[in-house]
Amino acid sequence: DAKTTQPTSMDCAEGRAANLPCNHSTISGNEYVYWYRQIHSQGPQYIIHGLKNNETNEMASLIITEDRKSSTLILPHATLRDTAVYYCIAPNTDKLIFGTGTRLQVFP
Amino acid sequence: DTAVSQTPKYLVTQMGNDKSIKCEQNLGHDTMYWYKQDSKKFLKIMFSYNNKELIINETVPNRFSPKSPDKAHLNLHINSLELGDSAVYFCASSQYLTYEQYFGPGTRLTVT
Repeated sequence: DAKTTQPTSMDCAEGRAANLPCNHSTISGNEYVYWYRQIHSQGPQYIIHGLKNNETNEMASLIITEDRKSSTLILPHATLRDTAVYYCIAPNTDKLIFGTGTRLQVFP
Repeated sequence: DTAVSQTPKYLVTQMGNDKSIKCEQNLGHDTMYWYKQDSKKFLKIMFSYNNKELIINETVPNRFSPKSPDKAHLNLHINSLELGDSAVYFCASSQYLTYEQYFGPGTRLTVT
């Protein structure tokens, strides 16, 4: 997998947008960027993925820079239930490799 | 309507015992996985099956034997359990050759 780098932790106020960055400067042209999250004591949950265009679904938006060296996952109105570890993954083999992710704490 | 289910949710057993964890998915996926998450929270893939055939086998002790009776089920049997096997084991499924995986709730295995 292309190496991804994420901040260890972030805070966000409830109701505000949570912007989670990810650097993937070694990503190749056909490698997608995937985002997962793991809420405490639960299984990881798929959020979104993209190649080069921005993507949006009911959970989040994914903004990928034009050079594809970084991306940002946006949770537009964070809630307490969004507190979780968020993983940015750029797989190029037959498996997902989870790193250490970003621990997002949403506070009231 | 649970998409990926695992049983049991908790499993406490003694060293040397043999135990099994079961996984079922009702998403119509043809690929299933077992992951292990240790106490440091690192999540690592162990096995993957596509249409009942083993396609990924990471460096896992051969005390671990996955079995897929059909593409909706993937079970994990562990022989001669050791203290280091204590972890949370997650099952997941996806369509073949996609990275959009759906995970079960996990089985917390404690070996004493």
